[in-house]
Amino acid sequence: AQKITQTQPGMFVQEKEAVTLDCTYDTSDPSYGLFWYKQPSSGEMIFLIYQGSYDQQNATEGRYSLNFQKARKSANLVISASQLGDSAMYFCAMREDFNNDMRFGAGTRLTVKP
Amino acid sequence: DSGVTQTPKHLITATGQRVTLRCSPRSGDLSVYWYQQSLDQGLQFLIQYYNGEERAKGNILERFSAQQFPDLHSELNLSSLELGDSALYFCASSALGVAGGAKTQYFGPGTRLLVL
Repeated sequence: AQKITQTQPGMFVQEKEAVTLDCTYDTSDPSYGLFWYKQPSSGEMIFLIYQGSYDQQNATEGRYSLNFQKARKSANLVISASQLGDSAMYFCAMREDFNNDMRFGAGTRLTVKP
Repeated sequence: DSGVTQTPKHLITATGQRVTLRCSPRSGDLSVYWYQQSLDQGLQFLIQYYNGEERAKGNILERFSAQQFPDLHSELNLSSLELGDSALYFCASSALGVAGGAKTQYFGPGTRLLVL
């Protein structure tokens, strides 16, 4: 069964504007972690942000924030003040703590327009 | 630079052959994870080792095996290679978090495998 769903294959955003990348997940494990990664065209995977299932506050890391809505099982990534260098593939991932299994979504290709 | 190193960067081989991919985790990280990224399957978790012991297993084929050595570097062995094994293979490392799960994973640059 698909555990991580990213419904936006591609997104466009104007430079300096904010953009939200959607991610929904499915798990029955009460303890899990949610991750976002960026993969530029060069291929490397860059860790962006982490949210634990028991964390009360939404995670933030610089221009990245995670809009965590536990009841809806969604973990959307918000990028503020987009920059041209933000153009990349973005992957949402979930790790279930009971088995340490890590699952990735299909990714969203973000293009920042000047 | 994530601090995770992987060798080789590129590998071209033939069907039926066997290859070994190597990974050195970030200094101090005890966990190593292997992932496969292909066009048709996306990113898939293969296996995790923690301090030399297998910790979690994902979609790893029986033809594939891995190990983590006392110095914490890890090797992924791929045997009886098929065309469909062509992919980008990532290694990642982490320090386990309080709940037993890693709060971050840092990825290496990957090894691009092409099976002809």
